[in-house]
This record gives sequence, C-alpha cells and structure tokens, in this order.
Amino acid sequence: ETGVTQTPRHLVMGMTNKKSLKCEQHLGHNAMYWYKQSAKKPLELMFVYSLEERVENNSVPSRFSPECPNSSHLFLHLHTLQPEDSALYLCASSQTPTGIYGYTFGSGTRLTVV
Amino acid sequence: QKEVEQDPGPLSVPEGAIVSLNCTYSNSAFQYFMWYRQYSRKGPELLMYTYSSGNKEDGRFTAQVDKSSKYISLFIRDSQPSDSATYLCAVSGGSYIPTFGRGTSLIVHP
Repeated sequence: ETGVTQTPRHLVMGMTNKKSLKCEQHLGHNAMYWYKQSAKKPLELMFVYSLEERVENNSVPSRFSPECPNSSHLFLHLHTLQPEDSALYLCASSQTPTGIYGYTFGSGTRLTVV
Repeated sequence: QKEVEQDPGPLSVPEGAIVSLNCTYSNSAFQYFMWYRQYSRKGPELLMYTYSSGNKEDGRFTAQVDKSSKYISLFIRDSQPSDSATYLCAVSGGSYIPTFGRGTSLIVHP
C-alpha cells in the first residue's frame, strides 16, 4: 500500500461510546497530523506529531486523545463526544513538521455522533 | 480579520472555460503557497506549490502569487467536468503550520 490510509471510512457513535480512528502512512514522512473538517469551515488543525513526539495541540477538548506509537501510525481516541464533533477527520503526513512542502492526506473518517 | 479568505462559491462554469480561483491573506510573512484539490468523499490532494512571488505552471493549471497585494490565484485552462471539486488554498510562513482557506466549490458542467 502507498500513501496515507485511514480506517474506518465511516463511524457512527453514541455520546457515551469510546472509539478510535487509525491512520497509517507508507511514505517515510517524519510528521503526522490530525485535522477536523466541518462544512464551510477551514481545516482545523488538532494535533501534530514529529518523529512520534507531539509538537502542537491546538486547544482540543480532552475527549479527543491522540497516540503516535511510531512514525508510521497515528490514532485518535474518542470518548464522550458531542453532536458538534460530527465532521470529517483527516489524517495527513509530511516530510517536515511545518508542512511547507505540502501534506499527503488520507481519505478521512466521516464521524457522526448521535 | 481572518488569516486567509476564500470565497466558498459554488462557482459554476461551462466546460472549456478558464477558471480563476482566488485567496487573500493577511500576514505578510507568508512565503509558501499551496493549492489543494478535494473531490467529494476524499481527502485533499496537493495540486500546486509555490514559494514567494511569481507564476508556476503545470499543464492546464497556473498558480500565481502577488505578495504586494497578499493575493494568490489558481487558473485552470480548458476546464473539464473532472475538475469539479473543492479547491483549498493554504499559506505558510515556513516556521509554522500552514493556514487553510475555507475552499471554493467548482462545478464544471458539460
């Protein structure tokens, strides 16, 4: 496989559930990111990992918990979410933490919180 | 003032038209400029990348940066229905994470 792979593609969860999103990159990139994409809004950066170390956390609620066990894998653990958390969650990777040469995005996980 | 402004559209054009997509930004320190294309139910893909001012051409696509006006453009020549997508601009100062626009929805009808 090549590129950035995200699973699952779709997820429906209740507000009391716990679930995890998974991301895997096969590009040898050093940085990985979680973004939230809501309708008619710019991409919102959630977390940045560089060489498995978290370098940025954009005031994200604690109900979102990232994990980066190695430079190829990234998880987003979800618990007690709210309906307003329904969105497309995108994982991305890049050669450098600042992403100035561009990101490679996965296809995203469409999350619906009911 | 938002850091990056982008008209969400939709912009609807006939096949074969020249399309102009634009963004304005507020921070004069931005030096890196990117355009991403996002098809429905897919993640964004990097389309064009430019550094500093000037033009960059890649096939039917031309990216243009005017740093004096803080204005970036993406031109698509001979537009095709397959170009129908949302186009996102992104800008960066080099030492920090890119800032994205809201995206412009483009519809090219046959």
